Amino acid sequence: GAVVSQHPSRVICKSGTSVKIECRSLDFQATTMFWYRQFPKQSLMLMATSNEGSKATYEQGVEKDKFLINHASLTLSTLTVTSAHPEDSSFYICSATQGAFSDEQFFGPGTRLTVL
Amino acid sequence: AQSVTQPDIHITVSEGASLELRCNYSYGATPYLFWYVQSPGQGLQLLLKYFSGDTLVQGIKGFEAEFKRSQSSFNLRKPSVHWSDAAEYFCAVGVGTASKLTFGTGTRLQVTL
Repeated sequence: GAVVSQHPSRVICKSGTSVKIECRSLDFQATTMFWYRQFPKQSLMLMATSNEGSKATYEQGVEKDKFLINHASLTLSTLTVTSAHPEDSSFYICSATQGAFSDEQFFGPGTRLTVL
Repeated sequence: AQSVTQPDIHITVSEGASLELRCNYSYGATPYLFWYVQSPGQGLQLLLKYFSGDTLVQGIKGFEAEFKRSQSSFNLRKPSVHWSDAAEYFCAVGVGTASKLTFGTGTRLQVTL
């Protein structure tokens, strides 16, 4: 099956710094990637949808200037948490689809962000 | 907007016992329905999906789910649970192919030996 990786798997940073998380589709071209956020013992909440070469579409309540998403190629999307604060600490998961008519999202293993 | 309800936050079953995890959805048209499993600190793995056709869907690891339009449900079942099935299970609904998903709050399954 299609494989999606995320890097790093775990990151700890100081408050006020920025953190970049990478999401890669390893064996397929991902026309669309999704970024989710998961708080402990809670469900996944969609943050944004990104299509290769275009601006990301953010869900209501998600600050686009704080969570910068770039989908510069068909195999890579990045999420940058700018000026991170402790409340940004969470588990961030990306997913990718293989094409406009794909019927399945393939999920990455997630990135645990801890902001001190 | 679509929504998903998983009424059971936590379920405990004995190994070898049968399992049913409940999922109810709200959507105006025929939804795309999914069940995912998540092990601690891991991403999500697709168990099965329903788009159309036969309302009883077979998935991986011996799981199956039945779509019941009249009840707006998509319950997940397994005849005999294994200790390795202990994990978090999420039901999700999408409105089309390659579309964003709305997840339920999840059901944590604990398996006793």
